[in-house]
Amino acid sequence: QLQVEESGSGLVRPSETLSLTCTVSGGSVSSDEYYWGWIRQSPGKGLEWIGSIYSSGHIYYNPSLKRRVTISVDTSKSQISLRMTSATAADTALYYCARHPSTKGWDVWGQGTTVTVSS
Amino acid sequence: DIVMTQSPESLTVSLGGRATIICKSSQSILYTSNNKNYLSWYQQRPGQPPKLLIYWASVRESGVPDRFSGSGSGTDFALTINNLQAEDVAVYYCHQYYSTPETFGQGTRVDIK
Repeated sequence: QLQVEESGSGLVRPSETLSLTCTVSGGSVSSDEYYWGWIRQSPGKGLEWIGSIYSSGHIYYNPSLKRRVTISVDTSKSQISLRMTSATAADTALYYCARHPSTKGWDVWGQGTTVTVSS
Repeated sequence: DIVMTQSPESLTVSLGGRATIICKSSQSILYTSNNKNYLSWYQQRPGQPPKLLIYWASVRESGVPDRFSGSGSGTDFALTINNLQAEDVAVYYCHQYYSTPETFGQGTRVDIK
């Protein structure tokens, strides 16, 4: 059974870099049938798509975050990473890693990891 | 960006009753080449990640009870929950994957009366 687990820096100081890792077990991160992505949820803002990475190597970012975000994949470790620079309080949120089959919406989600940006 | 607007923000329904949530997109999310609407619905219970209920606007995800149904095309969509159960108390979101940036509705909270 496919399992997805997010981990990373829970507390980040303003202007520093937020780094998260998504570890996938029981399945492949390099299948052509899916892409993977990061979605965040802050208390007042609902769900916000951050970006997606395809097995082809194509990566799409939310234009509102594109300057600060990098998503990458390490197939040898079955991990998808998120790096966000110049963090501000507005980046405080619950960050989810999820899988998106080409024919559906986001069908498998991790439990999420909380990131707080504060000095 | 395609803006997804849900209504109402919240609704309270009697046990066994019907809940209908509306989602409108700011532009059509129907791909004419395959006649599919790139619209999905999610249920999020407290403390849990979103759960996929419906994709292609009306296709129920495997394991989702048939009291959940999706309808609509183009820019106007609906999620209907028939015979509402206690475990259906949650926030529901629509989501478009027609184009990037992918966007979600603001959510609709469903409670039991």
